[in-house]
Amino acid sequence: EDKVVQSPLSLVVHEGDTVTLNCSYEVTNFRSLLWYKQEKKAPTFLFMLTSSGIEKKSGRLSSILDKKELFSILNITATQTGDSAVYLCAVGGGGTSYGKLTFGQGTILTVHP
Amino acid sequence: DAGVIQSPRHEVTEMGQEVTLRCKPISGHDYLFWYRQTMMRGLELLIYFNNNVPIDDSGMPEDRFSAKMPNASFSTLKIQPSEPRDSAVYFCASSLTPGGPLHFGNGTRLTVT
Repeated sequence: EDKVVQSPLSLVVHEGDTVTLNCSYEVTNFRSLLWYKQEKKAPTFLFMLTSSGIEKKSGRLSSILDKKELFSILNITATQTGDSAVYLCAVGGGGTSYGKLTFGQGTILTVHP
Repeated sequence: DAGVIQSPRHEVTEMGQEVTLRCKPISGHDYLFWYRQTMMRGLELLIYFNNNVPIDDSGMPEDRFSAKMPNASFSTLKIQPSEPRDSAVYFCASSLTPGGPLHFGNGTRLTVT
């Protein structure tokens, strides 16, 4: 069974701090790892990492994938209060897992002014 | 595109009643997923479809839950009879590719009293 574990479960920082969120996984025939941000409503897509794209960056957010050690990190620099959200990591695999994404429990990030 | 559309947004019902949740995926997306989110268990995959065919329903909690996708633009998740432990936010999501980014609807918040 596919497994995704995120750490820490929650994190409280002040504006301007840099944070690193962790995601480790076990999946059959890894295909993809995705990061989502969830505020009040539905999760919104941030990044997708695959074997051919192990590093992504968008503004203050960046993510890398280590396929050998089976983990990914999401970095947020110069945090703002608007970054407060739950960050979710999900993995897609092959075999019996083909087509679906398994989510971790999420990291709750709180950014204080 | 309007995105994934779910209805109703909120549903409050009494134990034992039948509940039907509805979803319209993004046009052209061949994969449709039903997830359930609770504080305790996070985002759990219930069932997913590919080209209207159920592929994996191993996440459906028990026989009280059923899902259908009669055509490419409509899916339902039914709970009969409902129980208080079914209270959660139910998300429908669709994707263009297997293991690719999911596009989530705004969810249905179900409360069973």
